[in-house]
Amino acid sequence: TQLLEQSPQFLSIQEGENLTVYCNSSSVFSSLQWYRQEPGEGPVLLVTVVTGGEVKKLKRLTFQFGDARKDSSLHITAAQPGDTGLYLCAGSPPSGTYKYIFGTGTRLKVLA
Amino acid sequence: ETGVTQSPTHLIKTRGQQVTLRCSSQSGHNTVSWYQQALGQGPQFIFQYYREEENGRGNFPPRFSGLQFPNYSSELNVNALELDDSALYLCASTGIRGPRDEQFFGPGTRLTVL
Repeated sequence: TQLLEQSPQFLSIQEGENLTVYCNSSSVFSSLQWYRQEPGEGPVLLVTVVTGGEVKKLKRLTFQFGDARKDSSLHITAAQPGDTGLYLCAGSPPSGTYKYIFGTGTRLKVLA
Repeated sequence: ETGVTQSPTHLIKTRGQQVTLRCSSQSGHNTVSWYQQALGQGPQFIFQYYREEENGRGNFPPRFSGLQFPNYSSELNVNALELDDSALYLCASTGIRGPRDEQFFGPGTRLTVL
């Protein structure tokens, strides 16, 4: 069974601080996605990474896919209260069925 | 372009009852996936439909079943509801089936089983 573990589970930081969220697995994924979910809403896609070692930037967010395509990280620079939410990573196994395995989630709270 | 919509928004059922949840996929998307998200956890894959056929299933019992219609909208049916079925049920549609396929999620249906 393929699992994706995220760390930390919870994170509470002050506005302006930097943070990194990790998504780790012992399995290889053909692609990995990061989502942010607000309470009472569905997850919203932030980025998709496909190539091992790929780095993508979205304003203050930097996403990296591990060289072996088993892990990923999300780094937020100068966090703002609007970044508060549940961050989820989701991996697509290389089986071609296009179904996603979601991580356990990281709940981030940025205090003003 | 219309996004993914789900109905109803909230639902309360009692143990043993049956429920049907509905999802309209994003315009042009022919693949719909259903997920169950328990409180405080990540979504768990239930199954996926591609062009009206089931295309992959997660570790859910047969009392979880689904349908996809010619217009690519979809239903999730759950029979013999159990207390542990209480969760947010999410539908996601996908248009491009490849490594960079992007899932677009609906707002979910919150099911409470008493």
